[in-house]
Amino acid sequence: NAGVMQNPRHLVRRRGQEARLRCSPMKGHSHVYWYRQLPEEGLKFMVYLQKENIIDESGMPKERFSAEFPKEGPSILRIQQVVRGDSAAYFCASSLRTGRDTQYFGPGTRLTVL
Amino acid sequence: AQTVTQSQPEMSVQEAETVTLSCTYDTSESDYYLFWYKQPPSRQMILVIRQEAYKQQNATENRFSVNFQKAAKSFSLKISDSQLGDAAMYFCAYHQETSGSRLTFGEGTQLTVNP
Repeated sequence: NAGVMQNPRHLVRRRGQEARLRCSPMKGHSHVYWYRQLPEEGLKFMVYLQKENIIDESGMPKERFSAEFPKEGPSILRIQQVVRGDSAAYFCASSLRTGRDTQYFGPGTRLTVL
Repeated sequence: AQTVTQSQPEMSVQEAETVTLSCTYDTSESDYYLFWYKQPPSRQMILVIRQEAYKQQNATENRFSVNFQKAAKSFSLKISDSQLGDAAMYFCAYHQETSGSRLTFGEGTQLTVNP
């Protein structure tokens, strides 16, 4: 019974490069959430997706950031032209349904921008 | 907007003793959910306990229990018989379905367990 899986666990990029973060939800879960944790801070919501749909992206920066959750395969959080301020831990969570269901978190991807 | 406040950036406890972590939140809603998550040095976010606001009974999970005071908008976590493995950052989180599916987190309390 695998939990939420994220890869890579650590990602180093130079300024201006692209970062792709992957998230495979728990088996049977069709709701995925992305959160960002800056150093010494709590987690901040970025985006909520269901299969093939973005439901709520109100926490995601309007530029350079995008997310998808295709019918087949993992959810992808994509950051274009990374800057040093993007350095953070990015966590994915999944739930069976929405609303009342508990969100279970993956181990996170730590992005470092040089 | 809902906010979650953890007023204790750091706490410490002796092994086998009891410690209480504080959390308050701000909402005008009556139906919502509250959570405590634990983040050990591995940085994995681990669910500790969950409380439904419509339930008057405080949630309990083994050595972990909550004191949920709805009128005061308070949701504290009590850890009994503290163990070295309890050392972690603890985050309080709020969820309300009518505001979407996001969790709103507090800033966290770093718990140290002294042997």
